Amino acid sequence: KAGVTQTPRYLIKTRGQQVTLSCSPISGHRSVSWYQQTPGQGLQFLFEYFSETQRNKGNFPGRFSGRQFSNSRSEMNVSTLELGDSALYLCASSSEPGQGNHEQYFGPGTRLTVT
Amino acid sequence: LAKTTQPISMDSYEGQEVNITCSHNNIATNDYITWYQQFPSQGPRFIIQGYKTKVTNEVASLFIPADRKSSTLSLPRVSLSDTAVYYCLVGTYTDKLIFGTGTRLQVFP
Repeated sequence: KAGVTQTPRYLIKTRGQQVTLSCSPISGHRSVSWYQQTPGQGLQFLFEYFSETQRNKGNFPGRFSGRQFSNSRSEMNVSTLELGDSALYLCASSSEPGQGNHEQYFGPGTRLTVT
Repeated sequence: LAKTTQPISMDSYEGQEVNITCSHNNIATNDYITWYQQFPSQGPRFIIQGYKTKVTNEVASLFIPADRKSSTLSLPRVSLSDTAVYYCLVGTYTDKLIFGTGTRLQVFP
């Protein structure tokens, strides 16, 4: 099976712009979660989608949003970018929703740099 | 949400066994314990998961005492390629998982 794919792998944006990141889960997986990783804050949960519905949301401002399509592919959007949004954004897929007892498969991430 | 505490860093030498302990005093009845490994600029990779007692796979062993308030990840005969950050997570079916700071393992030749 192909792994989780994320596009683009690298992105440079300017403050105030918006960005859309894409994630394709492993075939057959219907749950997709997004995480932000920074040196200062570590790995932080953004949100989780299952069957096109957001099931869980982390403690991030409303500038961070996401959605999931009928084919389980997911996108996340960050509007009005700030310098502090520079991070590695990771997508993870699993066969079922909820992450406590299901293995998550992570993609390689999208490295976003905001200048 | 169960919070975990693990050492910030550990050093080891090739060929040695490494044991990383994670404390999770507030673990709930339905919580599972999961360990992930992460290399720089890559996504975390699942290592092992358990609920109670001992779990072993081809990569590691996970020891969970009866009270489940802690767990120990055991890596047998580590190599340089095991240098990474190791995360202990505790959660349930519906929880959002908290990764914490992880343990940075450095393996020396």
